[in-house]
Amino acid sequence: EIVLTQSPATLSLSPGERATLSCRASQSVSNFLAWYQQKPGQAPSLLIYDASKRATGIPARFSGSGSGTDFTLTISSLEPEDFAVYYCQQRSNWPPDVTFGQGTRLEIK
Amino acid sequence: QAQLVQSGAEVKKPGASVKVSCKASGYIFTGHYLHWVRQAPGQGLEWMGWIDPHSGGTKYAQKFQGRVTMTRDTSSSTAYMELSRLTSDDTAVYYCARVSTAGSGRWFDPWGQGTLVTVSS
Repeated sequence: EIVLTQSPATLSLSPGERATLSCRASQSVSNFLAWYQQKPGQAPSLLIYDASKRATGIPARFSGSGSGTDFTLTISSLEPEDFAVYYCQQRSNWPPDVTFGQGTRLEIK
Repeated sequence: QAQLVQSGAEVKKPGASVKVSCKASGYIFTGHYLHWVRQAPGQGLEWMGWIDPHSGGTKYAQKFQGRVTMTRDTSSSTAYMELSRLTSDDTAVYYCARVSTAGSGRWFDPWGQGTLVTVSS
């Protein structure tokens, strides 16, 4: 099973600041990585797919980068509604199972 | 637009089974795989498996093999996830999620609203 490790576990920042979240895979997943945002009491929602493509309706302040084993989600200037938990997810060709990272909680400083 | 609506919260006793439904609308039900993901209280996301609504074919995560059954009813565009031999560790919110049409098609969008299953004696 491919393990995804997210860091940091918690990130404390202020609105307007830049957020950088990391996701590391235990083996290469090529660019088959996505990022989700989850707010309290809600289902996750797709932000970034194929490592760097924004999902429909996602603001340009969200960007994804990386390939192979190291990936980054960047929020260029935090808005109040961005404070949430973020998960990365992979689904490589082999093994074909799905795994999620343990999440990064982005909280208001 | 595509939407998934799940059944309501359940309370079950240890050893029992639970069956959660996921009704699809706004798209062709048989055209996209559906996955099930669960989230224990305060914890992260755990993938359980998928069903192909067209063929009924399934694949389960190894952890749930022998205990989970995913089925579908194409006449009502509804998928089901049944989990047996419940323990307190199965207390979680269970989500269904459709495979997204975006990019490589390995992602989940949209998601159902979630169904809380509580296992308690």
